[in-house]
Amino acid sequence: GQQVMQIPQYQHVQEGEDFTTYCNSSTTLSNIQWYKQRPGGHPVFLIQLVKSGEVKKQKRLTFQFGEAKKNSSLHITATQTTDVGTYFCAGDFGNEKLTFGTGTRLTIIP
Amino acid sequence: DVKVTQSSRYLVKRTGEKVFLECVQDMDHENMFWYRQDPGLGLRLIYFSYDVKMKEKGDIPEGYSVSREKKERFSLILESASTNQTSMYLCASSLAGTGEETQYFGPGTRLLVL
Repeated sequence: GQQVMQIPQYQHVQEGEDFTTYCNSSTTLSNIQWYKQRPGGHPVFLIQLVKSGEVKKQKRLTFQFGEAKKNSSLHITATQTTDVGTYFCAGDFGNEKLTFGTGTRLTIIP
Repeated sequence: DVKVTQSSRYLVKRTGEKVFLECVQDMDHENMFWYRQDPGLGLRLIYFSYDVKMKEKGDIPEGYSVSREKKERFSLILESASTNQTSMYLCASSLAGTGEETQYFGPGTRLLVL
């Protein structure tokens, strides 16, 4: 079936360090979405990438979509305690539903 | 703002009980989804629905059924709860056919089956 792999599963960083999570699909995606789930909360939409090679920024967050539309990354510059949570990518294969990655849980060491 | 509500935040049930989880959205979304979330496994799709009375199996439908009699409401049913169905259950909804099927999630129901 269609799967989206996400690594790493956990990441512990010192406050102020950078953080990156990666997603890969075995087949071409229609688009990819990123969600953030705070501890005790529910996933909240961050962004959608549609075009091959697309790069989008939200303040300290940079999202990239690969040229082949099979991989994506989320990079956070200079992490802050408010960045704590689990980040999920979700691949859209063009069938009205999303396939979520397993998530990367980010913890910040003050 | 889109609002997705779920009937309970926490539920404790016994093995063999029939369990109903309710989800309601107020934005006239066509698509609705039920996921379960388990540590290390991410969000796994149980069932989804494109429209009233329409349903399709997701990746892990075994032991579950769903009902969508009204557009705003999507119910997940555990016919005979088992301990391996202890999990966090998340409902979501999205607009259809826009090319930007952002999903909006409810707060989740944490189910414990004893």
